[in-house]
Amino acid sequence: GNSVTQMEGPVTLSEEAFLTINCTYTATGYPSLFWYVQYPGEGLQLLLKATKADDKGSNKGFEATYRKETTSFHLEKGSVQVSDSAVYFCALAYSSASKIIFGSGTRLSIRP
Amino acid sequence: DARVTQTPRDKVTEMGQEVTMRCQPILGHNTVFWYRQTMMQGLELLAYFRNRAPLDDSGMPKDRFSAEMPDATLATLKIQPSEPRDSAVYFCASGLSGRLWTYEQYFGPGTRLTVT
Repeated sequence: GNSVTQMEGPVTLSEEAFLTINCTYTATGYPSLFWYVQYPGEGLQLLLKATKADDKGSNKGFEATYRKETTSFHLEKGSVQVSDSAVYFCALAYSSASKIIFGSGTRLSIRP
Repeated sequence: DARVTQTPRDKVTEMGQEVTMRCQPILGHNTVFWYRQTMMQGLELLAYFRNRAPLDDSGMPKDRFSAEMPDATLATLKIQPSEPRDSAVYFCASGLSGRLWTYEQYFGPGTRLTVT
């Protein structure tokens, strides 16, 4: 079946460090891929998306590239800030269905 | 700024009591999702609706949980009777499906349920 696997947290970094959160997926066909972010006390919100192979999604300094050959969608940011502390979810979905399949989430903590 | 709203934000109840959570999806959205989030299980999809019809409720314990959409502006999730293991944050999300699919689900702020 379709699934998403992401690196376990928590991930703790110092401010201005480089961030990578790994995500791989198992799916048939050509899903769209997403990163959602959940700030403390809030619901999830879409951070970025990529709808086909080799697409790069980007937002707020975060980037992720849809790699079909490695079935990956790793999240990166060149210089993290304390305000990036949150839980990050990798996810996939198909245009023919409404529901999104989420990974287990990775908690990120940034030290000042 | 359109948002999904959920009520109540916090609910503390005793075991055995009925709990009803309400969600108002974003106007014009035709899909509604109910999720449960706990530290142990993470984010679980309980049920979802398209055009008010239930599409999938396989993630929901059928004996005590029920989800409905009385109209396009209201979705409800009911637990009867509640148990301590139901303690979690329950999220509602809405979106558009079909040819208007925008890929995004919009989440509400959640209802934090504590069953003692």
